[in-house]
Amino acid sequence: DAGVIQSPRHEVTEMGQEVTLRCKPISGHDYLFWYRQTMMRGLELLIYFNNNVPIDDSGMPEDRFSAKMPNASFSTLKIQPSEPRDSAVYFCASSLVGGAFFGQGTRLTVV
Amino acid sequence: RKEVEQDPGPFNVPEGATVAFNCTYSNSASQSFFWYRQDCRKEPKLLMSVYSSGNEDGRFTAQLNRASQYISLLIRDSKLSDSATYLCVVDQTGANNLFFGTGTRLTVIP
Repeated sequence: DAGVIQSPRHEVTEMGQEVTLRCKPISGHDYLFWYRQTMMRGLELLIYFNNNVPIDDSGMPEDRFSAKMPNASFSTLKIQPSEPRDSAVYFCASSLVGGAFFGQGTRLTVV
Repeated sequence: RKEVEQDPGPFNVPEGATVAFNCTYSNSASQSFFWYRQDCRKEPKLLMSVYSSGNEDGRFTAQLNRASQYISLLIRDSKLSDSATYLCVVDQTGANNLFFGTGTRLTVIP
């Protein structure tokens, strides 16, 4: 298995633009997580899905953030409009039972 | 109070030393516990699960103390390659609701 696949690996965008991050979980995993990591706040859970259904989105910072999981093999995290304070590494992870496996992350820079 | 708290370190230890990290969690109903390792500019990787009876994997030993609500990670005979940030992770609900500590930075010195 190729593991969790995220794209793009790096994204630089201007403030106000829409950003879409993509994730393909490990086949057969029924949990999918989106995390954000910054030096100041560490690793924060934004939202997670079980069987494609959002279970807890309390970590989503504000209405500018949205996440979808249209099927078991694909999820997106969208930021519209983006702001400089959204700059961070965004990780997607998937799990079946017992811990989660992370993708390599998307390093987002909003200028 | 944060759900999961760790000493951020850094811990600087010589090769061959034994080092221990502790982590406390706030929710006494937490179900599952893990240690992750994260190298600089890389993703976190699952190091080991933590069981009530304690468990060992080579040079690594993890223990859980439910009464005091803390978990620990012991690394024996430290190697240079052990240098990384170690993240304590707690599943509060048993539904894969994973909370990460901010991590403890370890540097093993030749």
